[in-house]
Parts: sequence; C-alpha cells; structure tokens
Amino acid sequence: DAGVTQSPTHLIKTRGQHVTLRCSPISGHKSVSWYQQVLGQGPQFIFQYYEKEERGRGNFPDRFSARQFPNYSSELNVNALLLGDSALYLCASSPSGIVSQPQHFGDGTRLSIL
Amino acid sequence: GQQVMQIPQYQHVQEGEDFTTYCNSSTTLSNIQWYKQRPGGHPVFLIQLVKSGEVKKQKRLTFQFGEAKKNSSLHITATQTTDVGTYFCAGPDSGGSNYKLTFGKGTLLTVNP
Repeated sequence: DAGVTQSPTHLIKTRGQHVTLRCSPISGHKSVSWYQQVLGQGPQFIFQYYEKEERGRGNFPDRFSARQFPNYSSELNVNALLLGDSALYLCASSPSGIVSQPQHFGDGTRLSIL
Repeated sequence: GQQVMQIPQYQHVQEGEDFTTYCNSSTTLSNIQWYKQRPGGHPVFLIQLVKSGEVKKQKRLTFQFGEAKKNSSLHITATQTTDVGTYFCAGPDSGGSNYKLTFGKGTLLTVNP
C-alpha cells in the first residue's frame, strides 16, 4: 500500500508570494494533519482536518489555511510568504486523527523563501 | 502552554556504546509517542506508551513511561550506525484537544563506526 504522498518535494518562492502544498493520505485514513518543521526543531502542529472539517489549528497566523477534499486529500495554502516560512512542511495521516493513533508522515515539502 | 522538553539535544557515541534520551512534559500525559527521523527523512512512528510505569522493548530499544506520566525515556543498547537520526517524543496537547500532538525538539544521535 502507498504511504502518505506529498507534492512538490521542493519549492522555492520569494517573499510575498503564495504557495499550495498537497498531500494524499494512506488509503482508508480520514484524517490529515499538517506540521511545520524548522531545521533543528521538532514538528510543530499547524492544522488537522477530519472528514473535511477543520478540527483545530496551532499557533499560526491566518496566512496559513488548508482544506480537505472528499477523497481525504488535503492542501495547505500559505499567503504573503515571509522568510521565516522557510521550513519542511510535513503531512501526516491517521485513521481518525485522535492522539492515541500513530501519525504516518509523508516525506514533506521543503519550502525555501528567498 | 504545554512544553515537551528533551535532553540531550545532541549525543555522539562510538558504535557499541549505549544511548539514552529523556523527555519531560510540563503536564501529565495520557500517552506518549516516540518517533525517529533519519537525516533528510521524515518522522517514523516507533512506539506509544499509555500506562504509568510502562516499559516496552523493541530489540535493542527500551522505552519507559514515568510513574507520574510526565516523563519518558528511550534507551538504545549497543548502538549501531543504523541508529543514527533524531529521536522525538510527542504527547497530546494539554489544552484538552484529542487530536493535537506536541513534539519535543528531539535528540540527534550520531554514531562513530
């Protein structure tokens, strides 16, 4: 079975632009969570979606938004990019998203802001 | 807010030596998870601990959950070069949500062959 897939793998943008990152969960998983990982730090929770509804968000500005589609894939959108948005963006899926279930991570999208 | 702290931040060992990383939470945890991230890779789930005082083993890896459910440790016996990577602990957010994981900053393990 395919794991969590993310696209693109790498992306270079300039300040002020916007970006869309995509994620396909493991088949049968209905929950997708997005994390930001800055070099040398642990993943930081951005959003979780379950059954197309946002369950909650972490401490990120409104420039960050996401949505989940009927096939449970998800997009993360970031507007007005800042240099500080440079990071590895990880998508993780699980059957229902509750914290007692392991998170299955994709390979991530490496976003660089110039 | 909740803090999950890990020490040490870095650990370099000779192959065959043991390694331990410690995780401490500012709040009581209902469970704790451990992940491993190889250089250039993504976090991979290792194990989950739920019960107070629980000890679980996976070959050379031993995981413990403290009696107060606020701390945990991962011990690797006789490290190998394949153990290289960053080890993260993660616990549920203290705000009561049942879906948000808070990760520690991780311990980077390097092994000299």
